[in-house]
Amino acid sequence: EAGVAQSPRYKIIEKRQSVAFWCNPISGHATLYWYQQILGQGPKLLIQFQNNGVVDDSQLPKDRFSAERLKGVDSTLKIQPAKLEDSAVYLCASSLKFGQVNTEAFFGQGTRLTVV
Amino acid sequence: KQEVTQIPAALSVPEGENLVLNCSFTDSAIYNLQWFRQDPGKGLTSLLLIQSSQREQTSGRLNASLDKSSGRSTLYIAASQPGDSATYLCAVRNNYGQNFVFGPGTRLSVLP
Repeated sequence: EAGVAQSPRYKIIEKRQSVAFWCNPISGHATLYWYQQILGQGPKLLIQFQNNGVVDDSQLPKDRFSAERLKGVDSTLKIQPAKLEDSAVYLCASSLKFGQVNTEAFFGQGTRLTVV
Repeated sequence: KQEVTQIPAALSVPEGENLVLNCSFTDSAIYNLQWFRQDPGKGLTSLLLIQSSQREQTSGRLNASLDKSSGRSTLYIAASQPGDSATYLCAVRNNYGQNFVFGPGTRLSVLP
């Protein structure tokens, strides 16, 4: 079974530039998450989708971050403009729909963003 | 608001020892709890998932327990090996919220 795919693996940009990350979840997983992990900390949720609808984006800095999940499959996360404090690993995860028996979450390899 | 803590923050043990990692959460109304492993520069690998109705789950040398009433989970690793060196994260999913709240992790080093 294919896992969660993310690209790119690494990205270095200058502050005030824009960047986009892509995620392809496990086939059949209705729920998709984007997490931000700053070095030395646990992941923090940015946004959660159920199919193509947003369930929770309360911690997404909406003045600079945006995300979409067209057709309820792939998702993109964008940062514009980037700040130095956005340097982190961006993790995408997917799981079956909440309420189903096994809602184990599976994570991708992440995208390491460095803003200079 | 759910908060998750993990103790210790870091642990170094000689190869072959049995060890316990601790996870505590403030809101006992959880849907499930999941333990993950993270190697440096990598994503998260799922180790064990415990549903709220379960008391423990086992996979190979790993055993995870859950005590909802006290807001605690432990991950027991038997006969540790250098390959177990990684950061271990626990994540809690609430009944009312659907996302996972993570602890800060425990960084484990198993010395040969």
